[in-house]
Amino acid sequence: QLQLQESGPGLVKPSETLSLTCTVSGGSISRYYWTWVRQAPGRGLEWIGYFHYSGVTKYNPSLESRVIMSVDTSKTHLSLSLTSVTAADTAIYYCAKGEADSYGLGYYMDVWGEGTTVTVSS
Amino acid sequence: QSALTQPASVSGSPGQSITISCTGSDNDVRTYNLVSWYQQFPGKAPKLLIYEVSERPSGVSSRFSGSKFDNTASLTISGLQAEDEADYYCSSYTITGTLVFGRGTQVTV
Repeated sequence: QLQLQESGPGLVKPSETLSLTCTVSGGSISRYYWTWVRQAPGRGLEWIGYFHYSGVTKYNPSLESRVIMSVDTSKTHLSLSLTSVTAADTAIYYCAKGEADSYGLGYYMDVWGEGTTVTVSS
Repeated sequence: QSALTQPASVSGSPGQSITISCTGSDNDVRTYNLVSWYQQFPGKAPKLLIYEVSERPSGVSSRFSGSKFDNTASLTISGLQAEDEADYYCSSYTITGTLVFGRGTQVTV
């Protein structure tokens, strides 16, 4: 059974780069839409983007200029980098496995990690 | 991209049925049958309840059902139970190839 576990620094200073890792176990990265979603304190879910195993990425337009998603060469870890962070980037960050829909257009998130909390503060 | 519109809260009594709406636009809900619903308990990760408007993953109770008409998708919870108290989010595929979430609905039983 595929499981996801996010990890990261917990605290990041303003203007620095946030780097998070999602460890995939019990399954292969070589499929699916690997997605990052975040949730600011007391707020709703925000889709950050995905990394498809083919190498294609798609990002939220509001974050596109600051986001990079990738997979490491061992193909067991997903990575998220968010540059020039501000307090508005304080949130719980989730990674999720995206299963392709039957129309071949998009996907839905059927497996989620437990999330990792990131606070942006000096 | 604009968030989908959901009511902030919906309440019901045990045994009743409630419906949560999710309103989008021509660029998402109206055009694509790619609406998903997620349930989230406080301090927990979201859980997939419905995908492709009305499909239920294995293991999800049949008390949860989804539908869509025009630019509005709906999640209905039948036979409401205390354990259904949670936040519920819809999401949709969009014309630009991204996903967008609703702002979430808090369900009180």
